[in-house]
Amino acid sequence: GAGVSQTPSNKVTEKGKYVELRCDPISGHTALYWYRQSLGQGPEFLIYFQGTGAADDSGLPNDRFFAVRPEGSVSTLKIQRTERGDSAVYLCASELTGSYNEQFFGPGTRLTVL
Amino acid sequence: AQKITQTQPGMFVQEKEAVTLDCTYDTSDPSYGLFWYKQPSSGEMIFLIYQGSYDQQNATEGRYSLNFQKARKSANLVISASQLGDSAMYFCAMREGSSSGGGADGLTFGKGTHLIIQP
Repeated sequence: GAGVSQTPSNKVTEKGKYVELRCDPISGHTALYWYRQSLGQGPEFLIYFQGTGAADDSGLPNDRFFAVRPEGSVSTLKIQRTERGDSAVYLCASELTGSYNEQFFGPGTRLTVL
Repeated sequence: AQKITQTQPGMFVQEKEAVTLDCTYDTSDPSYGLFWYKQPSSGEMIFLIYQGSYDQQNATEGRYSLNFQKARKSANLVISASQLGDSAMYFCAMREGSSSGGGADGLTFGKGTHLIIQP
């Protein structure tokens, strides 16, 4: 059974560029989460989708960050005009709503903004 | 204010000993869930154990148990008979608004404890 997958695994970009990070959740999982983990810190919540809609986007740091999940499965996190402070590992997790309690995390995308 | 506090940045433990990783939390919501995750150097987040705020008994999963002291807002992780493979970062996390733990807001994580098991 496939777990949560994220692509690319690594992304290096220059300051000011636009990047897209992709998350492919476990099939059938209706809830999808994005987190950001900076070096030496715990993951920080960014946004949560229930189906196609963003149920909670309160963790997005500013309007340069945007995420979509148009068909209720794959999600894309989009970052415009990247800044060096955006460098981090971006983690995606999925969950079967109403299930016991486990969020299944992907391996993450390491974003480096030069 | 920190919602999840892990006061031990790093710990060294001898193999086969038991280890307790501290976690305190802050919430005014009567319904919440507490989680522990392990993150090895490879980076993946591995779910270990869960405790709901209304659960009467402390959660256990194999060598992992959660020492839940609700009045003290404490949710320490206990690992019995530690193994070399237990060396990793350990994160305590909380989800508010759902004592069943499922399908609600994102998790709030602590800063983690780096556990090193020595042979």
